[in-house]
Amino acid sequence: GAVVSQHPSWVICKSGTSVKIECRSLDFQATTMFWYRQFPKQSLMLMATSNEGSKATYEQGVEKDKFLINHASLTLSTLTVTSAHPEDSSFYICSASRDHGPMVETQYFGPGTRLLVL
Amino acid sequence: LAKTTQPISMDSYEGQEVNITCSHNNIATNDYITWYQQFPSQGPRFIIQGYKTKVTNEVASLFIPADRKSSTLSLPRVSLSDTAVYYCLVGGGSQGNLIFGKGTKLSVKP
Repeated sequence: GAVVSQHPSWVICKSGTSVKIECRSLDFQATTMFWYRQFPKQSLMLMATSNEGSKATYEQGVEKDKFLINHASLTLSTLTVTSAHPEDSSFYICSASRDHGPMVETQYFGPGTRLLVL
Repeated sequence: LAKTTQPISMDSYEGQEVNITCSHNNIATNDYITWYQQFPSQGPRFIIQGYKTKVTNEVASLFIPADRKSSTLSLPRVSLSDTAVYYCLVGGGSQGNLIFGKGTKLSVKP
């Protein structure tokens, strides 16, 4: 159990276009979903945290108008990179948080989406 | 959020036991310790999670001393496919946020 999928797995787009990435928890309802970005040979960097039905909380330095997050249901969150530029090229990874009792939540990660902006 | 410190890299040989230690001196009372494994171009994979003492599952063991200021991930009899980056994270309590450190790059050689 605790499977998280992402779609697409990779995408190439032209500069100035928008790209939408979907994140789904397949076999559980996620209380919270997270979006991370990872540049080559670097660690994951948290971009934003989203709870179903409410606005996402963005980390410092992440432009909320550029990285639109929609968390419409307990199993689906989307990240839209608006007006993408080459510097937005990165590996985007989502995770979904699952409760394991009142004191602990565990994050399960999707396979990631490779974005290349030309 | 508690900061973690791990060795940047470790080398091992197939069949050996590997122990990766993580320091988290300012761990909070409701923080759990979670380890993830990441292969290149893949999302992190959950390995094991614990709060105190020892936790064991089918792939690893996690040792946590009484003061909880450190933890050790133990991988028994590693194989080449265990070559990956291993992240130690502290949190996962009521707030859920996880902050990734640099991780430990484990290289298993034949």
